[in-house]
Amino acid sequence: DAKTTQPPSMDCAEGRAANLPCNHSTISGNEYVYWYRQIHSQGPQYIIHGLKNNETNEMASLIITEDRKSSTLILPHATLRDTAVYYCIVRVADGSQGNLIFGKGTKLSVKP
Amino acid sequence: ETGVTQTPRHLVMGMTNKKSLKCEQHLGHNAMYWYKQSAKKPLELMFVYNFKEQTENNSVPSRFSPECPNSSHLFLHLHTLQPEDSALYLCASSQDRAPSGGETQYFGPGTRLLVL
Repeated sequence: DAKTTQPPSMDCAEGRAANLPCNHSTISGNEYVYWYRQIHSQGPQYIIHGLKNNETNEMASLIITEDRKSSTLILPHATLRDTAVYYCIVRVADGSQGNLIFGKGTKLSVKP
Repeated sequence: ETGVTQTPRHLVMGMTNKKSLKCEQHLGHNAMYWYKQSAKKPLELMFVYNFKEQTENNSVPSRFSPECPNSSHLFLHLHTLQPEDSALYLCASSQDRAPSGGETQYFGPGTRLLVL
């Protein structure tokens, strides 16, 4: 079972920031938070990951709360092409158990 | 483009057919994966290969038979499938399976399989 909780769907206006929340209240100290997205009928695409510090790359920013029980993925200027299902995944940093377990994700709809 | 290619992109087969799905990665990675995504269900990990050795089989029926001849290629051989096996089959690769926590998986576009 997925160890994260995400809202099933969200809407965002084009050009605005999209803030996607994720709860992972049972996260362990050695588990990373990963975000992937899947555009309709395509394979999942890696976005970003982090352990406890906030992270930023060319796609998004990841904000992790101090207690690590929740995080927020931020797409600073959403475009129509960002419409996708976004998956928040916690993954053990152990080579033998480090599988990605996908939940149902959040379906983000970016509207003009 | 993620550097992971899959062929064919679409496949229709009968229950008595034998077919194979192919995955190739051009990233120099050492670990490769097969996932299954059924309609309205989360992705399910099927097999994991690390340095050409199968390291995980998540209770997948024997009618699915993986093969990893080298670190760049991964096959999924299919025989006597059932209609409920119709799904999107995704291949992924990662640098390795080291306990660094920084492993990132890159996915191919998938093969959409329909079993009649």
